[in-house]
Amino acid sequence: QKEVEQDPGPLSVPEGAIVSLNCTYSNSAFQYFMWYRQYSRKGPELLMYTYSSGNKEDGRFTAQVDKSSKYISLFIRDSQPSDSATYLCAMTADRMDSSYKLIFGSGTRLLVRP
Amino acid sequence: DTGVSQDPRHKITKRGQNVTFRCDPISEHNRLYWYRQTLGQGPEFLTYFQNEAQLEKSRLLSDRFSAERPKGSFSTLEIQRTEQGDSAMYLCASYSWPGRSTDTQYFGPGTRLTVL
Repeated sequence: QKEVEQDPGPLSVPEGAIVSLNCTYSNSAFQYFMWYRQYSRKGPELLMYTYSSGNKEDGRFTAQVDKSSKYISLFIRDSQPSDSATYLCAMTADRMDSSYKLIFGSGTRLLVRP
Repeated sequence: DTGVSQDPRHKITKRGQNVTFRCDPISEHNRLYWYRQTLGQGPEFLTYFQNEAQLEKSRLLSDRFSAERPKGSFSTLEIQRTEQGDSAMYLCASYSWPGRSTDTQYFGPGTRLTVL
Protein backbone atom coordinates (compact mmCIF):
# COMPACT_ATOMS: atom_id res chain seq x y z
CA GLN A 1 0.00 0.00 0.00
CA LYS A 2 1.27 3.44 -0.92
CA GLU A 3 1.87 6.02 1.80
CA VAL A 4 -0.27 8.53 -0.09
CA GLU A 5 -3.37 7.55 -2.04
CA GLN A 6 -5.02 9.75 -4.64
CA ASP A 7 -7.78 8.95 -7.12
CA PRO A 8 -6.26 9.25 -10.61
CA GLY A 9 -9.52 10.39 -12.24
CA PRO A 10 -10.06 11.78 -14.76
CA LEU A 11 -12.50 14.16 -13.16
CA SER A 12 -14.60 16.04 -15.71
CA VAL A 13 -16.66 19.05 -14.61
CA PRO A 14 -18.43 21.94 -16.37
CA GLU A 15 -16.95 25.42 -16.20
CA GLY A 16 -17.97 27.22 -13.02
CA ALA A 17 -18.32 24.07 -10.94
CA ILE A 18 -16.77 23.57 -7.53
CA VAL A 19 -14.07 20.91 -7.69
CA SER A 20 -13.06 18.73 -4.78
CA LEU A 21 -9.76 16.84 -4.89
CA ASN A 22 -8.63 14.54 -2.10
CA CYS A 23 -5.77 12.49 -0.75
CA THR A 24 -5.46 10.04 2.10
CA TYR A 25 -2.24 9.07 3.80
CA SER A 26 -1.00 6.53 6.28
CA ASN A 27 2.05 8.11 7.92
CA SER A 28 1.01 10.06 11.02
CA ALA A 29 4.39 11.83 11.02
CA PHE A 30 3.42 13.96 8.03
CA GLN A 31 3.07 17.58 9.13
CA TYR A 32 3.42 19.63 5.95
CA PHE A 33 0.96 19.30 3.09
CA MET A 34 1.15 20.72 -0.39
CA TRP A 35 -0.85 20.79 -3.58
CA TYR A 36 0.94 21.12 -6.88
CA ARG A 37 -0.60 21.65 -10.30
CA GLN A 38 1.09 20.04 -13.29
CA TYR A 39 0.26 20.77 -16.89
CA SER A 40 1.10 18.15 -19.49
CA ARG A 41 4.85 17.74 -19.97
CA LYS A 42 5.65 20.51 -17.48
CA GLY A 43 7.10 20.58 -13.97
CA PRO A 44 4.84 20.73 -10.88
CA GLU A 45 3.79 24.23 -9.81
CA LEU A 46 3.12 24.91 -6.14
CA LEU A 47 -0.49 25.94 -5.46
CA MET A 48 -1.07 25.61 -1.74
CA TYR A 49 1.05 24.83 1.30
CA THR A 50 -0.37 24.12 4.74
CA TYR A 51 1.04 23.05 8.07
CA SER A 52 -0.78 20.59 10.33
CA SER A 53 -4.60 20.63 10.48
CA GLY A 54 -6.90 23.41 9.39
CA ASN A 55 -7.94 25.40 6.35
CA LYS A 56 -6.10 27.80 4.10
CA GLU A 57 -7.65 29.93 1.40
CA ASP A 58 -5.98 31.63 -1.55
CA GLY A 59 -8.25 33.14 -4.17
CA ARG A 60 -10.36 30.39 -5.71
CA PHE A 61 -8.41 27.67 -3.91
CA THR A 62 -9.01 26.28 -0.42
CA ALA A 63 -6.86 23.58 1.16
CA GLN A 64 -8.08 21.54 4.11
CA VAL A 65 -6.13 19.17 6.33
CA ASP A 66 -7.72 16.72 8.76
CA LYS A 67 -4.87 14.97 10.51
CA SER A 68 -7.18 12.92 12.72
CA SER A 69 -8.59 11.27 9.59
CA LYS A 70 -5.33 11.47 7.61
CA TYR A 71 -7.22 13.21 4.83
CA ILE A 72 -6.47 16.36 2.84
CA SER A 73 -8.57 18.20 0.30
CA LEU A 74 -8.25 20.93 -2.29
CA PHE A 75 -11.32 22.85 -3.37
CA ILE A 76 -11.42 24.95 -6.52
CA ARG A 77 -14.28 27.42 -6.82
CA ASP A 78 -15.59 28.78 -10.12
CA SER A 79 -13.45 26.33 -12.07
CA GLN A 80 -12.07 27.48 -15.42
CA PRO A 81 -10.90 25.54 -18.48
CA SER A 82 -7.40 26.78 -17.66
CA ASP A 83 -7.61 24.74 -14.43
CA SER A 84 -7.49 21.57 -16.53
CA ALA A 85 -4.33 19.84 -15.35
CA THR A 86 -3.10 17.09 -13.06
CA TYR A 87 -3.24 17.94 -9.36
CA LEU A 88 -0.65 16.32 -7.13
CA CYS A 89 -0.82 16.21 -3.36
CA ALA A 90 2.49 16.01 -1.53
CA MET A 91 3.48 15.79 2.10
CA THR A 92 6.46 15.48 4.37
CA ALA A 93 7.36 15.06 8.00
CA ASP A 94 8.75 17.67 10.35
CA ARG A 95 10.72 20.24 8.42
CA MET A 96 13.65 19.70 10.71
CA ASP A 97 13.67 16.10 9.52
CA SER A 98 16.96 15.32 7.88
CA SER A 99 15.65 15.14 4.33
CA TYR A 100 12.33 17.01 3.99
CA LYS A 101 11.76 14.82 0.92
CA LEU A 102 8.27 15.04 -0.49
CA ILE A 103 5.98 12.02 -0.80
CA PHE A 104 3.52 12.46 -3.63
CA GLY A 105 0.18 11.01 -4.56
CA SER A 106 -0.21 9.70 -8.09
CA GLY A 107 -2.15 12.80 -9.18
CA THR A 108 -5.74 13.46 -10.23
CA ARG A 109 -6.42 14.57 -13.80
CA LEU A 110 -8.96 17.37 -13.93
CA LEU A 111 -10.81 18.44 -17.07
CA VAL A 112 -12.97 21.57 -16.95
CA ARG A 113 -15.35 21.67 -19.91
CA PRO A 114 -16.22 25.09 -21.39
CA ASP B 1 8.90 30.29 -14.02
CA THR B 2 10.01 29.17 -10.55
CA GLY B 3 13.65 30.10 -11.04
CA VAL B 4 14.79 26.47 -11.22
CA SER B 5 16.09 25.59 -14.67
CA GLN B 6 16.89 22.22 -16.21
CA ASP B 7 18.73 21.26 -19.34
CA PRO B 8 18.01 19.65 -21.71
CA ARG B 9 14.23 19.68 -21.67
CA HIS B 10 14.01 16.53 -23.73
CA LYS B 11 16.60 13.84 -24.41
CA ILE B 12 16.20 10.88 -26.76
CA THR B 13 18.87 8.22 -26.55
CA LYS B 14 19.48 4.64 -27.50
CA ARG B 15 19.64 1.86 -24.96
CA GLY B 16 23.12 1.49 -23.55
CA GLN B 17 24.15 5.12 -24.02
CA ASN B 18 25.09 7.45 -21.16
CA VAL B 19 23.15 10.65 -20.54
CA THR B 20 23.71 13.64 -18.26
CA PHE B 21 21.18 16.20 -17.09
CA ARG B 22 21.80 19.54 -15.46
CA CYS B 23 19.82 21.48 -12.86
CA ASP B 24 20.36 25.09 -11.82
CA PRO B 25 18.49 25.80 -8.57
CA ILE B 26 17.24 29.09 -7.18
CA SER B 27 20.51 30.81 -6.30
CA GLU B 28 20.00 31.22 -2.56
CA HIS B 29 18.70 27.68 -2.02
CA ASN B 30 21.14 25.37 -0.29
CA ARG B 31 19.17 22.15 -0.88
CA LEU B 32 18.67 20.49 -4.23
CA TYR B 33 16.49 17.43 -4.86
CA TRP B 34 16.13 15.03 -7.77
CA TYR B 35 12.85 13.19 -8.42
CA ARG B 36 11.73 10.82 -11.15
CA GLN B 37 8.20 10.78 -12.53
CA THR B 38 6.82 8.06 -14.77
CA LEU B 39 3.61 8.34 -16.76
CA GLY B 40 0.52 8.46 -14.59
CA GLN B 41 2.49 8.58 -11.34
CA GLY B 42 3.59 11.27 -8.94
CA PRO B 43 7.26 12.22 -8.60
CA GLU B 44 9.42 9.84 -6.57
CA PHE B 45 12.41 10.97 -4.56
CA LEU B 46 15.83 9.96 -5.88
CA THR B 47 18.44 11.94 -3.93
CA TYR B 48 19.19 15.29 -2.38
CA PHE B 49 22.11 17.60 -1.65
CA GLN B 50 22.72 20.15 1.02
CA ASN B 51 25.30 22.47 -0.48
CA GLU B 52 27.78 20.08 -2.10
CA ALA B 53 27.10 17.10 0.17
CA GLN B 54 24.85 14.29 -1.06
CA LEU B 55 22.96 13.36 2.08
CA GLU B 56 20.49 10.69 1.01
CA LYS B 57 19.93 8.34 -1.91
CA SER B 58 16.76 6.37 -2.62
CA ARG B 59 16.75 2.66 -3.37
CA LEU B 60 15.50 3.77 -6.80
CA LEU B 61 18.95 5.17 -7.51
CA SER B 62 20.75 2.14 -8.91
CA ASP B 63 24.50 1.91 -9.42
CA ARG B 64 24.03 3.23 -12.94
CA PHE B 65 22.90 6.58 -11.57
CA SER B 66 25.23 9.19 -10.15
CA ALA B 67 24.57 12.74 -9.06
CA GLU B 68 26.92 15.55 -8.17
CA ARG B 69 26.76 19.11 -6.95
CA PRO B 70 30.45 20.01 -6.96
CA LYS B 71 30.33 23.64 -5.87
CA GLY B 72 27.02 23.65 -4.11
CA SER B 73 25.32 25.43 -7.00
CA PHE B 74 24.21 23.48 -10.08
CA SER B 75 23.83 19.70 -10.05
CA THR B 76 24.22 16.97 -12.65
CA LEU B 77 22.49 13.60 -12.82
CA GLU B 78 24.17 10.98 -14.98
CA ILE B 79 22.66 7.69 -16.08
CA GLN B 80 25.08 5.14 -17.47
CA ARG B 81 24.09 2.31 -19.80
CA THR B 82 20.53 3.54 -20.12
CA GLU B 83 17.67 1.05 -20.17
CA GLN B 84 14.16 1.46 -21.52
CA GLY B 85 12.88 1.46 -17.95
CA ASP B 86 14.79 4.70 -17.36
CA SER B 87 12.38 6.55 -19.64
CA ALA B 88 10.74 9.13 -17.39
CA MET B 89 10.61 12.80 -16.48
CA TYR B 90 13.52 13.77 -14.23
CA LEU B 91 12.62 16.68 -11.99
CA CYS B 92 14.85 18.93 -9.97
CA ALA B 93 13.65 20.97 -7.00
CA SER B 94 15.36 23.43 -4.70
CA TYR B 95 14.70 24.58 -1.19
CA SER B 96 16.19 26.89 1.42
CA TRP B 97 16.83 24.90 4.60
CA PRO B 98 15.86 25.40 7.35
CA GLY B 99 14.07 28.38 5.86
CA ARG B 100 10.83 29.92 7.01
CA SER B 101 7.67 28.04 7.90
CA THR B 102 6.19 29.09 4.55
CA ASP B 103 9.06 27.73 2.46
CA THR B 104 8.89 24.53 0.48
CA GLN B 105 10.35 22.97 -2.65
CA TYR B 106 10.10 24.64 -6.04
CA PHE B 107 10.38 22.49 -9.12
CA GLY B 108 12.04 23.00 -12.46
CA PRO B 109 10.40 22.17 -15.80
CA GLY B 110 11.95 18.70 -15.89
CA THR B 111 13.99 16.72 -18.40
CA ARG B 112 12.01 14.14 -20.31
CA LEU B 113 14.16 11.11 -21.14
CA THR B 114 13.15 8.66 -23.85
CA VAL B 115 15.27 5.53 -24.20
CA LEU B 116 14.75 3.71 -27.49
